[in-house]
Amino acid sequence: KNQVEQSPQSLIILEGKNCTLQCNYTVSPFSNLRWYKQDTGRGPVSLTIMTFSENTKSNGRYTATLDADTKQSSLHITASQLSDSASYICVVSVPYPGTYKYIFGTGTRLKVLA
Amino acid sequence: KAGVTQTPRYLIKTRGQQVTLSCSPISGHRSVSWYQQTPGQGLQFLFEYFSETQRNKGNFPGRFSGRQFSNSRSEMNVSTLELGDSALYLCASSYSGGAPDTQYFGPGTRLTVL
Repeated sequence: KNQVEQSPQSLIILEGKNCTLQCNYTVSPFSNLRWYKQDTGRGPVSLTIMTFSENTKSNGRYTATLDADTKQSSLHITASQLSDSASYICVVSVPYPGTYKYIFGTGTRLKVLA
Repeated sequence: KAGVTQTPRYLIKTRGQQVTLSCSPISGHRSVSWYQQTPGQGLQFLFEYFSETQRNKGNFPGRFSGRQFSNSRSEMNVSTLELGDSALYLCASSYSGGAPDTQYFGPGTRLTVL
């Protein structure tokens, strides 16, 4: 069964600290993996997207890594800010005739405290 | 460029009623996907439309239906509402729906069923 699991479910850190969120998937075949940030009451916004041949992708203070062999990805946030408080969702896409299917993780809720 | 817009933003209905939600994609985007988001299940894929044709469908009952118009605007309809249909309904658009196209999400419609 195609699944995407994220850990931890929730995380609280102090402003300025770094943190790493995990995403493990059993999806096969695999096309690409995306990380989204979703602020409360808003739609998700794409942070990074990686194909199976990419190991790392950065977007400012956000760095995503991918190990296609172990089917694990991580999102590292450097020097966290209050505005990083949000849910982070890992999404894996699977080829489907004529299009793609998207398998979503349930997300990690991050709270950054001053 | 204007983002994805969804109307209405909030909706309260009672069991047994039906509801229609609307989504206007980013100009030039031809793929529109709909998702249901609940605290317990996370984001779940409903269906995708491309050039007025449904080309992908999730595992939801037939009470959930949609359509896309020639200008790429899309509507989603839920008939015979149940309490469990209370959720945030998100619409996302992309140019073609193909990987690695980034999906751009709207702010969502918060549906409450009483």
